[in-house]
Amino acid sequence: SYVLTQPPSVSVAPGQTAKITCEGNNIGSKSVHWYQQKPGQAPVLVVYNNRDRPSGIPERFSGSNSGNTATLTISRVEAGDEADYYCQVWDSNTDHYVFGTGTKVTVL
Amino acid sequence: QVQLVESGGGVVQPGRSLRLSCAASGFTFSNYGMHWVRQAPGKGLEWVAIIWFDESRKFYGDSVKGRFTISRDKSKNTLYLQMNSLRAEDTAVYYCARRPSSGAGFDYWGQGTLVTVSS
Repeated sequence: SYVLTQPPSVSVAPGQTAKITCEGNNIGSKSVHWYQQKPGQAPVLVVYNNRDRPSGIPERFSGSNSGNTATLTISRVEAGDEADYYCQVWDSNTDHYVFGTGTKVTVL
Repeated sequence: QVQLVESGGGVVQPGRSLRLSCAASGFTFSNYGMHWVRQAPGKGLEWVAIIWFDESRKFYGDSVKGRFTISRDKSKNTLYLQMNSLRAEDTAVYYCARRPSSGAGFDYWGQGTLVTVSS
């Protein structure tokens, strides 16, 4: 089965840039989606198709995807960005939807 | 506005069954595929199942295949998850989520319902 690996945690100071990676075999050939989940809440889609943002999501959230790594970048980090973040892809070989292991972003 | 409301969670003994529901509103339910996703306490997200908008296709995660069944009722705008032969490791918050027309991700989520499998 397809595996997506994320760093368990990322720490960033307010106003700085946070980069969250998502590693998978040839992930650059897939469409990657990213979700933000705050404690006690349902996940929220923040980036889809590698780099597109749903309406209402700030431009501070951006994505990229190439080779074996996809990246979610949060610019000018705010305290409200503190949350767990998950990457996700569809595995066409199995028709399964796969989530990454998740990354906890802490704003210092 | 799009709204998804799960119900049916609770405490159930190992080996027993439970059926979850997800009531949809604010969009044309029959036009969208729907997912179930779960999250064990303190753990990450795990995809459970998907049903196509027209029920023509259903797929399941390996950990639930053969035990869980996803279905929908267009007349009631409701998604279901029938869970049989429940195990302790099925304990989780279960979310329903909408598959957008483009197929890109899960665009709307419910607030989830907690299932606890324990004797």
